[in-house]
Amino acid sequence: AQSVAQPEDQVNVAEGNPLTVKCTYSVSGNPYLFWYVQYPNRGLQFLLKYITGDNLVKGSYGFEAEFNKSQTSFHLKKPSALVSDSALYFCAVRDPNSGGYQKVTFGIGTKLQVIP
Amino acid sequence: KAGVTQTPRYLIKTRGQQVTLSCSPISGHRSVSWYQQTPGQGLQFLFEYFSETQRNKGNFPGRFSGRQFSNSRSEMNVSTLELGDSALYLCASSLVQGVDEQFFGPGTRLTVL
Repeated sequence: AQSVAQPEDQVNVAEGNPLTVKCTYSVSGNPYLFWYVQYPNRGLQFLLKYITGDNLVKGSYGFEAEFNKSQTSFHLKKPSALVSDSALYFCAVRDPNSGGYQKVTFGIGTKLQVIP
Repeated sequence: KAGVTQTPRYLIKTRGQQVTLSCSPISGHRSVSWYQQTPGQGLQFLFEYFSETQRNKGNFPGRFSGRQFSNSRSEMNVSTLELGDSALYLCASSLVQGVDEQFFGPGTRLTVL
């Protein structure tokens, strides 16, 4: 069975500093990985995805994520945090080798707080 | 292009009642998924529909059901509501499954009293 873990409930970072939101996954084969963001009182928005190719993926709002197969991780990063980045971030995984139509499994979410 | 819409946005029900939530996907999207979001559990997968057929189902009791219509619009129904069903119910659509990201609606906030 596939699973995804976000080990930190909350991440605090000062504005202007680099940020990292951690995600590790478990699937039987090569995963499809996604990051979504949920701003207060709004639905989830897609940030970026890794399907294949370059391990460093760039997405919306200056975010990027690095796929590390040996560590089964897909950490979300941004070089310089903004107060407006404060939100709830979800990592998600889909196992394309599980056969048929595969469901997406989401992590429990990490609250990012950027301090002015 | 219009986004995913969900109706109603807010619902208050009492235990034992049933409720139907509606989701209209982005035009052209054929896959619709439903999730339950609660503060302690994150997003829990309910089910996924593609071309009017349920393709995947999460670990929820049979009180939770859904369907998809020929125009890809989807409904989910919860019967015999329990207090623990209070949550934000999110609908997401995608073109097809696999590599495509999902587009989420604003959700329906269900409160069971």
